[in-house]
Amino acid sequence: EVRLLESGGGLVQPGGSLRLSCAASGFTFSSYAMSWVRQAPGKGLEWLSTISGGATGTYYADSVKGRFTISRDNSKNTLNLQMNSLRAEDTAVYYCAKQGYASSSPFDYWGQGTLVTVSS
Amino acid sequence: QTVVTQEPSFSVSPGGTVTLTCGLSSGSVSTSYYPSWYQRTPGQAPRTLIYSTNSRSSGVPDRFSGSILGNKAALTITGAQADDESDYYCVLYMGSGIWVFGGGTKLTVL
Repeated sequence: EVRLLESGGGLVQPGGSLRLSCAASGFTFSSYAMSWVRQAPGKGLEWLSTISGGATGTYYADSVKGRFTISRDNSKNTLNLQMNSLRAEDTAVYYCAKQGYASSSPFDYWGQGTLVTVSS
Repeated sequence: QTVVTQEPSFSVSPGGTVTLTCGLSSGSVSTSYYPSWYQRTPGQAPRTLIYSTNSRSSGVPDRFSGSILGNKAALTITGAQADDESDYYCVLYMGSGIWVFGGGTKLTVL
């Protein structure tokens, strides 16, 4: 059974940093692309970033490019999102999502999400 | 910047059929955009319904179906049930690793 469990969310001040993690199990983690998607309060889903299975390719939405960095540790089956220069508009529930073999593969499994609140 | 468009809201009667659409602010949606559909219920993780235009995700009942209708992707729900009341999102692949979600459709079953 595929399981994705996000962690690392919390309250952070504007301009601060936070590192999210997603522990994956139930599939061969290193073979699949993975993504981060968020949903701000009262807003829709927003794709943020994708990383290929071998971490050779990373892709970002314009809204987070230069501030967020996606990475993965295939030895620990873990996906990460380093978030810097956080803004109030980054307040959201952050989900990790599994894709297929390619970065163009759709999202098929999702975690339960972790809440990030950016506020002073 | 390309915007993915969805109807903000829709209503359907129990047992009825509804088709939600997913378009582009400029251009037509084709299978090359790998349109996918997700159900978002508060307090739950997003649920994948349809991927790559018309492939149904595991465990999704066959009353959910996907297609291309004209210049848009479409999600059709036949025999709507009360627990189908939810928010539905489409996402399109723009190439070069970039995905864009639509704004979502709030479906009411009444």
